[in-house]
Amino acid sequence: SYELTQPPSVSVSPGQTARITCSGDALPQKHASWYQQKSGQAPVLVIYEDSKRPSGIPERFSGSSSGTLATLTISGAQVEDEADYYCYSTDSSGDHRGVFGTGTEVTVL
Amino acid sequence: QVQLVESGGGVVQPGRSLRLSCAGSGFSFSGYDMHWVRQAPGKGLEWVSIISYDGAQTYYTDSAKGRFTISRDNSKNTVFLLVSSLRPEDTAVYYCARDYYDGSGHNPDYWGRGTLVTVSS
Repeated sequence: SYELTQPPSVSVSPGQTARITCSGDALPQKHASWYQQKSGQAPVLVIYEDSKRPSGIPERFSGSSSGTLATLTISGAQVEDEADYYCYSTDSSGDHRGVFGTGTEVTVL
Repeated sequence: QVQLVESGGGVVQPGRSLRLSCAGSGFSFSGYDMHWVRQAPGKGLEWVSIISYDGAQTYYTDSAKGRFTISRDNSKNTVFLLVSSLRPEDTAVYYCARDYYDGSGHNPDYWGRGTLVTVSS
């Protein structure tokens, strides 16, 4: 089955830049989305179509994709950005079955 | 504003069934595909299923095929997930989410708060 691989954890000091990667064989043909999930809360979409930001999401969140790697960047990370982050895409067999990445815990301290 | 409210979770014995519901409001429900996603305690997100806007097409993750059934009632702005032959490993928070199609795939955009299913004897 299709897999999206993320680093388990990323740690950054306040004001610094955090980068989270997502590796998947179908990413050259498929867009990636990114979700933020704070403790005890539902996920929130922060990036869609690799690099687009929904309304209300701070500009410090950005995304990019090249080849088999998608990247979420938090520029000038804030303490309130501490959360788990998941990438998401669909596998190459079609466009309906989704897959989440393994998840990355971001610590800002 | 978009709102999704799940219900129907609870404690259920192994082998039994449960029907989860998700009521949508604040958008044209009948025009959107809908997802179910689950999260076991302390674990990551797992995509479960999607149903097309008219209910004609349904897709499942491999672990859900044959045991889970997604359906919808557009007259009530509600999507359902029937979870059958429940196992302890089905214990999770179940989220519904509205769909956004990006040209290459279907993606959850707005999410509900989830409903907890606990499978235990």
